[in-house]
Amino acid sequence: QSVLTQPPSASGTPGQRVTISCSGSSSNIGSNTVNWYKQVPGTAPKLLIYSNNQRPSGVPDRFSGSKSGTSASLAISGLQSEDEADYYCAAWDDSLNAYVVFGGGTKLTVL
Amino acid sequence: QVHLVQSGAEVKKPGASVKVSCKASGYTFTRYEINWVRQATGQGLEWMGWMNPNSGNTGYAQKFQGRVTITRNTSISTVYMELSSLRSEDTAMYYCARGPDTARFDYWGQGSLVTVSS
Repeated sequence: QSVLTQPPSASGTPGQRVTISCSGSSSNIGSNTVNWYKQVPGTAPKLLIYSNNQRPSGVPDRFSGSKSGTSASLAISGLQSEDEADYYCAAWDDSLNAYVVFGGGTKLTVL
Repeated sequence: QVHLVQSGAEVKKPGASVKVSCKASGYTFTRYEINWVRQATGQGLEWMGWMNPNSGNTGYAQKFQGRVTITRNTSISTVYMELSSLRSEDTAMYYCARGPDTARFDYWGQGSLVTVSS
């Protein structure tokens, strides 16, 4: 059971816009920034979005992030076949046992 | 360019310990924290702990407290993660990742597969 809640799956056709949600609480998303990772099976995760809505160098502007209250979202516009992967959200949790929490991951399928 | 290169796959028996290394290059080793994240086959990401290579300070997820130890050797820009009292549930890919900020991991190692089996 992950601390951050993501839908297990999402899908879209090429060119479509899809969003992936990430729900948390006041001790994590509510008080800290959210980061998003993309993982192609068999490879290490890759940083996609940091500080809620910032893209690292090299990440296409088709990817965008947002945060409101205790929830965050990752949006992918102009969906492409290479976007098919697992996506994870992550944030610091300020609870008694301060630590990094991840969402359970969302498998994105490009139909 | 930044690289994190991890040690190879390990097979261990239940109750044993494993020590995984993560050698950093391409940046000033002491400027960024190193985190450890693991992933069981077909499962999600699980954070284990972090180390500040400059100060040597560490922090561990409560789940692993008492079983995990993160150390470093600054002379060779390497961070180590040792997990003890291994059980079958510890079978997973273990990743090190550079952390410029909490929960923000901008470079990852290639992963080290640890298999725990009798």
